[in-house]
Amino acid sequence: QQQVKQSPQSLIVQKGGIPIINCAYENTAFDYFPWYQQFPGKGPALLIAIRPDVSEKKEGRFTISFNKSAKQFSLHIMDSQPGDSATYFCAASAYSGGGADGLTFGKGTHLIIQP
Amino acid sequence: NAGVMQNPRHLVRRRGQEARLRCSPMKGHSHVYWYRQLPEEGLKFMVYLQKENIIDESGMPKERFSAEFPKEGPSILRIQQVVRGDSAAYFCASSKRQGNTGELFFGEGSRLTVL
Repeated sequence: QQQVKQSPQSLIVQKGGIPIINCAYENTAFDYFPWYQQFPGKGPALLIAIRPDVSEKKEGRFTISFNKSAKQFSLHIMDSQPGDSATYFCAASAYSGGGADGLTFGKGTHLIIQP
Repeated sequence: NAGVMQNPRHLVRRRGQEARLRCSPMKGHSHVYWYRQLPEEGLKFMVYLQKENIIDESGMPKERFSAEFPKEGPSILRIQQVVRGDSAAYFCASSKRQGNTGELFFGEGSRLTVL
């Protein structure tokens, strides 16, 4: 059972465009939603994260929008650049105070920004 | 200020051999997580450890796989009698504290190829 569904699987956007990546979750206990960026041959790196008490968070050109009632969240990249080309993973976790604290990841979106 | 260190970066094994992957967490971090990434897939949680304790191994295959995080030295993920299906990238992540572990810092991964 996949608990975090991510779409699209791949995305091609022209430089300066706004790629949007969407994720949906099932577990209502999730209360932390990070996005990770991964370049080929590298490990994932935390990009931005949100908690469900806010509907939007912005850091630089990256924005997370969060819809708690729909159990959905999305990543927007403003003024996208070729250097943003990478695989992006959404994730979710639930504070359990001692149990499985590991993140549940979506399957990833392979993003290409064309010059 | 070294990040999460994993070695080897690449490992080739023949079917039936053993693979040992090592992970040194970031300085000051006492929580270690192992994830497996298959091509075109997200990261799948395997095991969560603290020093000398396995906290959650719900993502570990029941046979052939084991993990440890001794009092001294790195965390080790051990795969006995490897099969072709074990070929994947194995990522280690560490965090400073338990709970709401979205703030995971990943290593660059160990890529295992089973011939």
